[in-house]
Amino acid sequence: SQQGEEDPQALSIQEGENATMNCSYKTSINNLQWYRQNSGRGLVHLILIRSNEREKHSGRLRVTLDTSKKSSSLLITASRAADTASYFCATDGRRNTGKLIFGQGTTLQVKP
Amino acid sequence: NAGVTQTPKFRVLKTGQSMTLLCAQDMNHEYMYWYRQDPGMGLRLIHYSVGEGTTAKGEVPDGYNVSRLKKQNFLLGLESAAPSQTSVYFCASIRPGQGKTGANVLTFGAGSRLTVL
Repeated sequence: SQQGEEDPQALSIQEGENATMNCSYKTSINNLQWYRQNSGRGLVHLILIRSNEREKHSGRLRVTLDTSKKSSSLLITASRAADTASYFCATDGRRNTGKLIFGQGTTLQVKP
Repeated sequence: NAGVTQTPKFRVLKTGQSMTLLCAQDMNHEYMYWYRQDPGMGLRLIHYSVGEGTTAKGEVPDGYNVSRLKKQNFLLGLESAAPSQTSVYFCASIRPGQGKTGANVLTFGAGSRLTVL
């Protein structure tokens, strides 16, 4: 079964607004990652947060992790039309088998 | 530095035909992965490899075989293609030194779109 599940499945906002996407997972993890996929392209890594971290920032990205609730959120502040893409969370298991499981993704549309 | 290269980019097969997707990486990565992406399903792990000569099953391995004879290449084979295998296939690999610490940050190829009629 899917390790990560995201909501909403789709999000449409105006340029300049903030976008928040959520990810829930089922088993213990070492870390959680967020990836971005532009239409017709491969995924690109955005940010990684380890299980002992609660919050992490990278530019306009802010990621939070709540291991007690097995959930994470990705906040994109001051969104731009170029942020239009699909965003996926990915988790590994507590045992480092190298296996990385992705959620179903959130499709974000930022209108100019 | 090409990163992760997948060939072919597009392929149309008839049911029952066989084919192999090739993934090549020039980054000396240890771990390599094959995912399939279907609408509304996200990415699902088919098979993966944690080193040359080793492979392991992912979430949806049935109907696929893989081989990792050389560290830089990871092949995904379909012995008898079915319409349910119509999908976009992505190969990915992990940056060196991070796999063993648990921080498996993937570098993806551009994808291979396969249609089975």
